[in-house]
Amino acid sequence: NAGVTQTPKFRVLKTGQSMTLLCAQDMNHEYMYWYRQDPGMGLRLIHYSVGEGTTAKGEVPDGYNVSRLKKQNFLLGLESAAPSQTSVYFCASGKIPGLLAYEQYFGPGTRLTVT
Amino acid sequence: KNQVEQSPQSLIILEGKNCTLQCNYTVSPFSNLRWYKQDTGRGPVSLTIMTFSENTKSNGRYTATLDADTKQSSLHITASQLSDSASYICVVSGQAGTALIFGKGTTLSVSS
Repeated sequence: NAGVTQTPKFRVLKTGQSMTLLCAQDMNHEYMYWYRQDPGMGLRLIHYSVGEGTTAKGEVPDGYNVSRLKKQNFLLGLESAAPSQTSVYFCASGKIPGLLAYEQYFGPGTRLTVT
Repeated sequence: KNQVEQSPQSLIILEGKNCTLQCNYTVSPFSNLRWYKQDTGRGPVSLTIMTFSENTKSNGRYTATLDADTKQSSLHITASQLSDSASYICVVSGQAGTALIFGKGTTLSVSS
């Protein structure tokens, strides 16, 4: 199993450009998440999905859109990149959290710089 | 406001020594608390998960404790190794299915 994979690993964008980050998981997980990690701050949830075809906003959703057309993939889009979106983006997946302590598995991250 | 506070912010220890990292939280209701290890340039990897009914859990040289009454947790690392150099993140979950609340992490450096 590859677990959670993310592409690309690195990207530099100019302000106003658009791009899509791809997350894929091969563990048949229902839940998928997009986080951003900034220096001196904890990971913050951008958007999440509780199943194919469904998405929901997290703590910091502005400037991002997501889609979950297939269960194994979760896409994060930036329509018009801004320097404030310079960050490291992590995708995670997990089972249906019916249990008290379900696990979340993280991808390796995408480092995005917006100039 | 639900918060997770970790201390110290950073720590340097000699290889072979023990250390303890602290986590205080104000999340309510509380479901579980996790400790993650994040190597530089990598995603977080789970070390332990504890529910409110558990007060200690070990994973090799890592031992986590939880006091749900005082809302405190600690992660004890025994006989540290150079590979323990990483950021250690405390994460708290409220009701099952709700968003995780991440601490800012403690950066541990183990030197030889």
